[in-house]
Amino acid sequence: KNEVEQSPQNLTAQEGEFITINCSYSVGISALHWLQQHPGGGIVSLFMLSSGKKKHGRLIATINIQEKHSSLHITASHPRDSAVYICAVFGNEKLTFGTGTRLTIIP
Amino acid sequence: KAGVTQTPRYLIKTRGQQVTLSCSPISGHRSVSWYQQTPGQGLQFLFEYFSETQRNKGNFPGRFSGRQFSNSRSEMNVSTLELGDSALYLCASSFRGGRGRPDTQYFGPGTRLTVL
Repeated sequence: KNEVEQSPQNLTAQEGEFITINCSYSVGISALHWLQQHPGGGIVSLFMLSSGKKKHGRLIATINIQEKHSSLHITASHPRDSAVYICAVFGNEKLTFGTGTRLTIIP
Repeated sequence: KAGVTQTPRYLIKTRGQQVTLSCSPISGHRSVSWYQQTPGQGLQFLFEYFSETQRNKGNFPGRFSGRQFSNSRSEMNVSTLELGDSALYLCASSFRGGRGRPDTQYFGPGTRLTVL
């Protein structure tokens, strides 16, 4: 069993829909990151959180430390949100990554 | 402020050769981490350097090595290349790195290595 599990692996939605990507982890962590990777490889850090909730524009990230679970929400999704979203947990002084969720938003 | 840069962006090598990849962090960042991304294994941590010292290492064979210079620029080297080393190699920089309170990592564009 992977230390970091993401679901779903693939998600296709219509423009404007509300998107939720989930991440569960089994190890002790000090922080959790949500990353976005576009075709071509570049990775952008969206959020780093260790408790509660953070919001940036149409993106919201939440974490429940007791349940070892985090969610990334996208409101009013847009085709430019199409990318791979990766959950990564920081524990033992290193990042461990989930396998990613490939999101496709159809106009 | 300039972002993280990696050179070269693309590289083709043959089995048995060695390769050196370079990473220049954001100015002021002292931590550089290296990651390997493959379709089969996803993203995996290789190692982290902070102030010229390797601070942490992932589960990779000794053929993978790295170093960091006094200006925080880092290089990673892979010797005796194998077909399975074909991957996107990403570096990321941060101010503090792993010790203490973790901080945001800023990723470079990656070097795509193909081993023939």
